[in-house]
Amino acid sequence: EVQLVQSGGGLVQPGGSLRLSCAVSGLSVSGNYMSWVRQAPGKGLEWVSTIDSDGKTYYADSMEGRMHLTISRDIAKNTLYLQIRTLRADDTAVYYCARRTPLTAYFDSWGQGTLLTVSS
Amino acid sequence: QTVVTQEPSFSVSPGGTVTLTCGLSSGSVYSTYYPSWYQQTPGQAPRTLIYSTNTRSSGVPDRFSGSILGKKAALTITGAQAEDESDYYCVLYMGGGISVFGGGTKVTVL
Repeated sequence: EVQLVQSGGGLVQPGGSLRLSCAVSGLSVSGNYMSWVRQAPGKGLEWVSTIDSDGKTYYADSMEGRMHLTISRDIAKNTLYLQIRTLRADDTAVYYCARRTPLTAYFDSWGQGTLLTVSS
Repeated sequence: QTVVTQEPSFSVSPGGTVTLTCGLSSGSVYSTYYPSWYQQTPGQAPRTLIYSTNTRSSGVPDRFSGSILGKKAALTITGAQAEDESDYYCVLYMGGGISVFGGGTKVTVL
């Protein structure tokens, strides 16, 4: 059974940084495409980033301009990460990790979500 | 910037049929965009319903079906039940590693 267990959310001051974690079991992060999706309060889902099985990374156009996000993985820990720097209030959201299938490009397994609140 | 469009809301009677659509701000949706659909209830993670236009994910009731209708991808709920009251999101794969969610459709069953 595939399980994605998230941690690392919380309350952070504007300008700070945070790393979200997604511990994966039942599949290897190194052999799969792994993604982050976020949902601001009362808003819809938004794809944030994907790392493919070769380690190549992709980011949503809306994130590219700020260059404040980094998706990464630790193969030994079988864990996916999202590092967010220079946090702003509009980064406040529930962040979900998900496995994305390589060819048919859909999200077939989801973490439980973790809330990041950026506020002073 | 690519915008994926969905109806903001729909209402359906119990036992009724509703079709949600997923379009592009410019152009048509084809199967090569690998349209997928997700159901989300408040406070919960999304649930995968449909992928590759019309393939149901494991455990999804057959009252949910996907298709291409005209220039859009579509999700049809046939015989809606109370538990289908949720938000529904489509995703289109734009290539180059980029996925785009639609804005979501809130479905009310009453």
